[in-house]
Amino acid sequence: AQTVTQSQPEMSVQEAETVTLSCTYDTSESDYYLFWYKQPPSRQMILVIRQEAYKQQNATENRFSVNFQKAAKSFSLKISDSQLGDAAMYFCAYWYTGTASKLTFGTGTRLQVTL
Amino acid sequence: EAQVTQNPRYLITVTGKKLTVTCSQNMNHEYMSWYRQDPGLGLRQIYYSMNVEVTDKGDVPEGYKVSRKEKRNFPLILESPSPNQTSLYFCASREGLLSYEQYFGPGTRLTVT
Repeated sequence: AQTVTQSQPEMSVQEAETVTLSCTYDTSESDYYLFWYKQPPSRQMILVIRQEAYKQQNATENRFSVNFQKAAKSFSLKISDSQLGDAAMYFCAYWYTGTASKLTFGTGTRLQVTL
Repeated sequence: EAQVTQNPRYLITVTGKKLTVTCSQNMNHEYMSWYRQDPGLGLRQIYYSMNVEVTDKGDVPEGYKVSRKEKRNFPLILESPSPNQTSLYFCASREGLLSYEQYFGPGTRLTVT
């Protein structure tokens, strides 16, 4: 069964600094997708970034980028130039078209941004 | 505007009192699902539906029921709620089984006393 592990329950970063959130996963599949979702206090689930496993190039969305290491099954999120609005819970998630096509989530990392 | 709506957004109820959380999407999506979110556990899938009248259990289906009589609606039913069902619930939809883009509803905070 696929599992997603986020080993950092909480992280803190100063405004304008860079922070990296870690995520590892376990799968026997070769073609899948990985996601990072942001959940601010409003509780809305917001897609931050997506990575297709067949793509070697790391995905980037403005200040957000990932370090995708397929062999190591690692998928970390880097937030550059952190802003107060980045404070939220971040979830790593895995998706594969099999297994009822569900998203498998990690347990989340709460990011605090300080002045 | 493409969206998934859930009602109610907040609900406090007592043990054993049947309740329904509604979910509706306006994108003509085939695939819909329910998740619950608990601290330290992330989001876990409760039930999913691949189309009208086609539903199946997710990872944590005990104590829940669903139905899919119309394509747009996917209600979650708790026939006899218990305190361990206190949680944050999300409905989500996707165009189809092979679509990776998932749309989430705003969430329903349920408290069972």
